[in-house]
Amino acid sequence: DQQVKQNSPSLSVQEGRISILNCDYTNSMFDYFLWYKKYPAEGPTFLISISSIKDKNEDGRFTVFLNKSAKHLSLHIVPSQPGDSAVYFCAASGHLPYKLSFGAGTTVTVRA
Amino acid sequence: KAGVTQTPRYLIKTRGQQVTLSCSPISGHRSVSWYQQTPGQGLQFLFEYFSETQRNKGNFPGRFSGRQFSNSRSEMNVSTLELGDSALYLCASSLGQRGNTGELFFGEGSRLTVL
Repeated sequence: DQQVKQNSPSLSVQEGRISILNCDYTNSMFDYFLWYKKYPAEGPTFLISISSIKDKNEDGRFTVFLNKSAKHLSLHIVPSQPGDSAVYFCAASGHLPYKLSFGAGTTVTVRA
Repeated sequence: KAGVTQTPRYLIKTRGQQVTLSCSPISGHRSVSWYQQTPGQGLQFLFEYFSETQRNKGNFPGRFSGRQFSNSRSEMNVSTLELGDSALYLCASSLGQRGNTGELFFGEGSRLTVL
């Protein structure tokens, strides 16, 4: 049962424009949400996170928004750069912080 | 400090064989968790170990097992391999304590191909 869903398997965006990645979850017990970035032949690396007590968290070019009522979060990358081309995974954790539930990932391609 | 190290990076096995994968966590990290990544499925949680004890297990058959040693290094084993076991197996480490927010540090993975 996929509790975290990323319904867009791919996203293509022009360099300098905004990338918006979406993620939906079904488990209301999730209280911490994370985004990971993965390049080919490398393991995922942590990008940004947000606690359920917040609705926005910003770190440089990356901003994550959380809408708890809709069980939806999004990652905004502004401006998009060629080095942002990677697979982005949305993840969530509940009372077991070491057990993350991941989405299937969204492949972002930034065009020059 | 050194990151999470997984060995081997690539391996090819045939159906029915068994395989053991190894993971060395970041120094000081006592929690090691394992994930399976397959195309279109994201990362699926296998199990997590903390101080040599399995704290949680995902929905995988008993052919998948693991253990953790006193130095926090971990191994996972898959017996009676099936074609569907072909995947990237990722190990992640963390401090693993209550209050930890779930940020995991991943290794580069072990790519298993079952023929």
